[in-house]
Amino acid sequence: KQEVTQIPAALSVPEGENLVLNCSFTDSAIYNLQWFRQDPGKGLTSLLLIQSSQREQTSGRLNASLDKSSGRSTLYIAASQPGDSATYLCAVPSGGYQKVTFGTGTKLQVIP
Amino acid sequence: DAGVIQSPRHEVTEMGQEVTLRCKPISGHNSLFWYRQTMMRGLELLIYFNNNVPIDDSGMPEDRFSAKMPNASFSTLKIQPSEPRDSAVYFCASSLVDHGNQPQHFGDGTRLSIL
Repeated sequence: KQEVTQIPAALSVPEGENLVLNCSFTDSAIYNLQWFRQDPGKGLTSLLLIQSSQREQTSGRLNASLDKSSGRSTLYIAASQPGDSATYLCAVPSGGYQKVTFGTGTKLQVIP
Repeated sequence: DAGVIQSPRHEVTEMGQEVTLRCKPISGHNSLFWYRQTMMRGLELLIYFNNNVPIDDSGMPEDRFSAKMPNASFSTLKIQPSEPRDSAVYFCASSLVDHGNQPQHFGDGTRLSIL
């Protein structure tokens, strides 16, 4: 059974800092890995999807890397802004490429 | 473009009552997912459909839970009878499944409270 762990559970940083969120998974035979953002009272918004054949994906100030062999992914946020404050979740397929297991998330607070 | 639409946004009802949650996926998407989110267990997949057909319902907690997708633009998740431990936020998501892996798009959820 796929298990997904995210560290840290919560993070508070001053505005402008670069930061890294971590995601680890136990079964490295994955099709892809997704990073999502969840704002309070809202659903999840897909940020980046990395295919199993890729090592990283970039979107604006976000960069996600994937190391399948070690069962790890990182989400790098450059020059953090207060608007980045949210909970970030990673998700990996578990028993089929559509059935995903989510991590417990990292709650990020960027202080102005 | 309209995203995934869920209704109601909030539902408060008494134990034993029937609860029906509704979802309208993004037009053109052929996969639909129902999730439940709680503080204790995080986000859990309950069931998903491809082309209106249930593919995996192994996450449905009990026979009290049932889901249907009568057509490509509508799905329901029903709980009968409801219990206090069913209190959670229920999300619906949809995606387009083709030869590649596509991200899931989530609705804003239904916050369910069973008294």
